[in-house]
Amino acid sequence: SYELTQPPSVSVSPGQTARITCSGDALPKQSAYWYQQKPGQAPVLVIYQDSERPSGIPERFSGSSSGTTVTLTISGVQAEDEADYYCQSADSSGTSRVFGGGTKLTVL
Amino acid sequence: EVQLVESGGGLVQPGGSLRLSCAASGFTFSSYSMNWVRQAPGKGLEWVSYISSSSSTIYYADSVKGRFTISRDNAKNSLYLQMNSLRAEDTAVYYCARDPQVHLGELSPGQPLYYYYGMDVWGQGTTVTVSS
Repeated sequence: SYELTQPPSVSVSPGQTARITCSGDALPKQSAYWYQQKPGQAPVLVIYQDSERPSGIPERFSGSSSGTTVTLTISGVQAEDEADYYCQSADSSGTSRVFGGGTKLTVL
Repeated sequence: EVQLVESGGGLVQPGGSLRLSCAASGFTFSSYSMNWVRQAPGKGLEWVSYISSSSSTIYYADSVKGRFTISRDNAKNSLYLQMNSLRAEDTAVYYCARDPQVHLGELSPGQPLYYYYGMDVWGQGTTVTVSS
């Protein structure tokens, strides 16, 4: 079955830039989405279609794509950004959605 | 206010069945595709199933295919997940999530092209525990 690969953890100091990657063979063909999940809460969509930001999401969140890797970038990280982040896409046929394993962002 | 509220979770023995519901409000439910997504304790998100707005297209994850059935009742603004032959590994919080999309045309005859906006609204989840 199709898989998306994320690093288990990323750590940054406040004000720095955090980059979380997600790799998958079908990413050149399928768009990627990013979700933020804080403990005990439902996920929140922060990026769609690789790089689009939903209304209400701070401008410090951005997304990019290059080949089989997509990247979520959080510029000027704040303490409130500490959370788990999941990428999501679809397999090459588009019939199966898939989530990456998640990345725990720690703000030092 | 746009809202999704799941219900129907609980404790069930292995091999048993459970039916989850997701009540939608604050938006035109019949215009949106929907998903079920689950999260086992301490684990990541796992997509479970997808249903289009008219129920014409349905997809399942391999891990639940043949055991789970997704359905919806647009007149009742409700989404369902019938879960049969439950296993310990089905223990999780189950979320319903809205999946907005726009039909852009046909990539080729019989192959529609959609613009997806991601799972933009989520419920708070309902907990399913499969244990004897």
